[in-house]
This record gives sequence, structure tokens and C-alpha cells, in this order.
Amino acid sequence: QQPVQSPQAVILREGEDAVINCSSSKALYSVHWYRQKHGEAPVFLMILLKGGEQMRHEKISASFNEKKQQSSLYLTASQLSYSGTYFCGIGGTSYGKLTFGQGTILTVHP
Amino acid sequence: DSGVTQTPKHLITATGQRVTLRCSPRSGDLSVYWYQQSLDQGLQFLIQYYNGEERAKGNILERFSAQQFPDLHSELNLSSLELGDSALYFCASSVEGTRPLEQFFGPGTRLTVL
Repeated sequence: QQPVQSPQAVILREGEDAVINCSSSKALYSVHWYRQKHGEAPVFLMILLKGGEQMRHEKISASFNEKKQQSSLYLTASQLSYSGTYFCGIGGTSYGKLTFGQGTILTVHP
Repeated sequence: DSGVTQTPKHLITATGQRVTLRCSPRSGDLSVYWYQQSLDQGLQFLIQYYNGEERAKGNILERFSAQQFPDLHSELNLSSLELGDSALYFCASSVEGTRPLEQFFGPGTRLTVL
């Protein structure tokens, strides 16, 4: 079952904050966040594991809410380089395959 | 540069044909994943290999097959191609394949079926 991401698109000015949500109808074991720029490969941002701590990558952090079966990605003081499509991927317990959400397009303007 | 290589970068072929996409994982990575990315379907998991053996399967069509060789490179074979198979095909690798780990994506192969 594909996780659902919201919002579908976000437009920001440099320095503004954004939150991207990823919800699953199934129990979450791991949530992976990737950023993909147009025409390029997805690039790993972070993994959140069930029972694990909130992770950070530069000015990007993420949380994992087991009860709500949801993960949120927080982008603070956004930079132009943050523009791209953000994907969350749901991981299983005994294998590495990921089921990705449909993506959230983030555009940061000067 | 993730360290994962994919060839060819672009492939243009006709319906009904067969193509082979090649992937070399990062040095030391044992697991390889294949994903298909199209505009209407997003990033779809196809198949995973771990140390030469199939580990997990996604919504991979019967016309598609893959394998991982002893040197750990992998090939994805697509046959009886249809217009709808046009997409970007990514290969990713991770250190191992029995638990969720960071995956490193290759640059992708863009397949166009005419």
C-alpha cells in the first residue's frame, strides 16, 4: 500500500519553513526520506526507525509517530538548494525494498 | 556521485523489442534494487536481489526479469516492450538487504518505446 504524502506541492521563499507529511494505512517499521532534483537520481536524506530518535540532516529534521502511522519532514530556513521533489518510502522489517509515496514538489524562490 | 553506475543512459527502441539494462552497485554493497519511475506511477519498486538471490518482488510484470551475477552487478531484462514501459529505470544498492538501510541510487536509464 502506497503511503500518502501531503501537501502535493509547496512554494516557499528563501528562509521560510515547510512541513511534508507521509501517512501510511499499515503499521510503520521504517520511513525513508529522499530528495530528487529534476532529471537526477533520488538522494538519501534520512531513515527513521520504529522506536528510534528524531533524525536531522543539516536544517532538515524528521519525526516518526507510530500511533498515527505518520512521519513528517521539517525543513527550516529553506535554501534554494532545497528545491526538488521529496519522497517518503516505507520499509519492511526483513528486507530492504521501499514503497514510495507520490512525492511532494518543493519550490524555493529567492 | 553515488557510486552506482547504470548503462545505458538513454535507450530508444520500438514496441515488441527486448532490452537489457545494466547496473553496477557501489563497491561492497551486496543488495541491488530496481525501480521504475514514470509520470503517472511515481517511483515503483520492481525487484530486489541480495548477494545473487532474489529477496523481494514488487509489481514487476512477467515480461520483465532480472538477475544478479556473482560479481554483484545486475541486469534488468524487459521484453515485448509496450509504449507504457517508457520510463526512467533506477537501480539502487545498499550494504545488505535484510533490513532497511540507506539506498544509493544510480543515475538511471531513460527508456523510450516508440
